Amino acid sequence: DAKTTQPTSMDCAEGRAANLPCNHSTISGNEYVYWYRQIHSQGPQYIIHGLKNNETNEMASLIITEDRKSSTLILPHATLRDTAVYYCIVRVGGGNQGGKLIFGQGTELSVKP
Amino acid sequence: GAVVSQHPSRVICKSGTSVKIECRSLDFQATTMFWYRQFPKQSLMLMATSNEGSKATYEQGVEKDKFLINHASLTLSTLTVTSAHPEDSSFYICSASPAGGSNEQFFGPGTRLTVL
Repeated sequence: DAKTTQPTSMDCAEGRAANLPCNHSTISGNEYVYWYRQIHSQGPQYIIHGLKNNETNEMASLIITEDRKSSTLILPHATLRDTAVYYCIVRVGGGNQGGKLIFGQGTELSVKP
Repeated sequence: GAVVSQHPSRVICKSGTSVKIECRSLDFQATTMFWYRQFPKQSLMLMATSNEGSKATYEQGVEKDKFLINHASLTLSTLTVTSAHPEDSSFYICSASPAGGSNEQFFGPGTRLTVL
């Protein structure tokens, strides 16, 4: 699976959009981009994933560049509860069983009042 | 939906004893479950992939005889840390992928193991 690079930490003001970048320059054509987050001492929580089109759900938006070498997770109106470590992961789509996830160091997002 | 539970949530044991951690998918069947370990201020490290009815596949550097994994049903996988030592103290997290084509993995809340 391709490796990802994320900033170690970021701050965001409450109510503002949080834009978390991720570089995955060695991504292969059949690899998806996944985003998870982990609030302290809890299991990771799935946020969103995509292959090449931009995606949006109730939690966030995922913007993937045309060359697929980077992506941005957007939390449109960050709240204090969004403070967490955000992981960007690329992996082969798992078909019936799901491919394994290899976690990098992630970005520690701090949402401040 | 798609809830994964772990039991126990916390366990403290003496050095040399064995500890079993359960991972259950509560409202879906999981052909594949994964076990991770996380040390303080570090990322999750995949330990092994567990497939129902077959032997687990361990990641490089993970001792299969120390970390015994059993996936006897489509809703339950267990991780047994045998002869635990203080360096095995960690946060153990499982995840499960629903059978039937979903690409998602759903994570359990984790189990905090402390070995004295």
